[in-house]
Amino acid sequence: DGGITQSPKYLFRKEGQNVTLSCEQNLNHDAMYWYRQDPGQGLRLIYYSQIVNDFQKGDIAEGYSVSREKKESFPLTVTSAQKNPTAFYLCASSIKMGQYEQYFGPGTRLTVT
Amino acid sequence: RKEVEQDPGPFNVPEGATVAFNCTYSNSASQSFFWYRQDCRKEPKLLMSVYSSGNEDGRFTAQLNRASQYISLLIRDSKLSDSATYLCVVNPYSGGGADGLTFGKGTHLIIQP
Repeated sequence: DGGITQSPKYLFRKEGQNVTLSCEQNLNHDAMYWYRQDPGQGLRLIYYSQIVNDFQKGDIAEGYSVSREKKESFPLTVTSAQKNPTAFYLCASSIKMGQYEQYFGPGTRLTVT
Repeated sequence: RKEVEQDPGPFNVPEGATVAFNCTYSNSASQSFFWYRQDCRKEPKLLMSVYSSGNEDGRFTAQLNRASQYISLLIRDSKLSDSATYLCVVNPYSGGGADGLTFGKGTHLIIQP
């Protein structure tokens, strides 16, 4: 079955530690995205990638980093510089950038204490 | 700047009833529109794309009103399983661009037995 996987589902970290969230897709989609969702809030775009070896900052990129070395993979690192990292992180992909539907992975719920 | 507005609800509706809610968008150049469904603590799932001519899928009908800049979602014969948060999503750019997808904060629907 084609789809997007994210791991782990729940992640707990101490403040000051960097943490990397995994996102893999086997849909052969060019574009991938990372969002964060806070309670009662809409999704906010962190980073996106149109194609392998290319990525751009979204609306709230500070304190995050990404890489796109393979088409299938778009990991997100939450660094210690992110002031409020506890959130629900969602990875998505679409066939290409533009007017296309985005499909989401199951998400990673990160708690930093 | 870009904005997508939804009534957060909750809308409490008896099972079997018809329910409709709207979403307004501020950018008149918006080109593509979607409704996503999000269950509690889960990822958003694409419910339907909204075409200029409207779109119907079983009990669900989506309509676009460009003149008044809103899209609507109608659910007929509502089921208990329709209880969820419905996200309105708008892409204002015809030429693509990742921050093109703007998510509303969602409308919370509760179907009561």
